[in-house]
Amino acid sequence: DAGVIQSPRHEVTEMGQEVTLRCKPISGHNSLFWYRQTMMRGLELLIYFNNNVPIDDSGMPEDRFSAKMPNASFSTLKIQPSEPRDSAVYFCASSRLLAGANTGELFFGEGSRLTVL
Amino acid sequence: ILNVEQSPQSLHVQEGDSTNFTCSFPSSNFYALHWYRWETAKSPEALFVMTLNGDEKKKGRISATLNTKEGYSYLYIKGSQPEDSATYLCAPHNTDKLIFGTGTRLQVFP
Repeated sequence: DAGVIQSPRHEVTEMGQEVTLRCKPISGHNSLFWYRQTMMRGLELLIYFNNNVPIDDSGMPEDRFSAKMPNASFSTLKIQPSEPRDSAVYFCASSRLLAGANTGELFFGEGSRLTVL
Repeated sequence: ILNVEQSPQSLHVQEGDSTNFTCSFPSSNFYALHWYRWETAKSPEALFVMTLNGDEKKKGRISATLNTKEGYSYLYIKGSQPEDSATYLCAPHNTDKLIFGTGTRLQVFP
């Protein structure tokens, strides 16, 4: 079975450019999470979706960040304009939503390493 | 903000030693407690998802316990091996959030 697929694996861009990161969750999973890995904060939750609906985006750093999930098999995280402090590894993870709003184990993609010069 | 604390931050042990780590989290609005293993240059992989107070789970030499009333979980590794070297993350699921701790970095020396 294919796991969570993220693209691109690596992105190097210049400050001010738009960056779009993509994620394909595991088929049948109905929760999707975007995390950012930084040295200071470890794995930081940015936003998550249940059944394609954003539930909590309070972790999104600022208006430059946006995320969408137009259907059950695709999500994007967009940064516009990008800044050097956005440099990090961005992980997407998916899971099954269980009874009582609980979530099963998360399956992570391999991450997208972003470098903003 | 959900306060998740893991201790110790790092641990160096000899092969064959047994070790344990702690995860503490708010006990209110508790849904579940997740443990993940994260090897360098890889992605986190789930070890356990625990929901009930008093839960104990085991996978090979690794086991975990859960106390939801006081808000802590222990992860134990019996007879550590070099391949156990990784960062171990806990993530409590409270209300709508699944927030990761900063992890315990374990290094097992042969």
